[in-house]
Amino acid sequence: KNEVEQSPQNLTAQEGEFITINCSYSVGISALHWLQQHPGGGIVSLFMLSSGKKKHGRLIATINIQEKHSSLHITASHPRDSAVYICAATPPAGIQGAQKLVFGQGTRLTINP
Amino acid sequence: EAGVVQSPRYKIIEKKQPVAFWCNPISGHNTLYWYRQNLGQGPELLIRYENEEAVDDSQLPKDRFSAERLKGVDSTLKIQPAELGDSAVYLCASSFIANYGYTFGSGTRLTVV
Repeated sequence: KNEVEQSPQNLTAQEGEFITINCSYSVGISALHWLQQHPGGGIVSLFMLSSGKKKHGRLIATINIQEKHSSLHITASHPRDSAVYICAATPPAGIQGAQKLVFGQGTRLTINP
Repeated sequence: EAGVVQSPRYKIIEKKQPVAFWCNPISGHNTLYWYRQNLGQGPELLIRYENEEAVDDSQLPKDRFSAERLKGVDSTLKIQPAELGDSAVYLCASSFIANYGYTFGSGTRLTVV
């Protein structure tokens, strides 16, 4: 079992729909990242959060530390949101390997016009 | 400000040939990471540098992979000789403080034929 699990692995929706991508992790973390990867391969960091909720435009990320769960929401989805969304966890400081990200498998999102 | 710059974007080589990837991190970022991402999977760390020192290379296949970060700025990742299984996207990332503000490059897509 992966330390960081995402669901669903693939998601297809119509333009305008509200999108939710889930991430569960089994390790202790100091921070959780949501990343966006477009077909060309480049990765863009969307959010880094350690508690609560963050919002940027149509994107909202939440995290529940007790439940070890995070969600990424996209409101009023648009075809340009089509990409792979990756959840990644940073282990706590002092833990061996704390400097690296532990990645989920990614969720491939396709928004149809 | 320029982001993390990687070159080339794409590379196709025959097996047993050598290949090298170059990364220029964001100015002032002390930490540099090389990741490998196989199709449909999340990135996996190959090596992490703090300035010019490789502090985590436990996942680097040292029989054929090598990396260097001279002067603690640019970095080069080399594969010699390449194998078919090395086909993947090689991502470079940098951060100023470990675990904070990751910035990824656009990646190099390697195809070994």
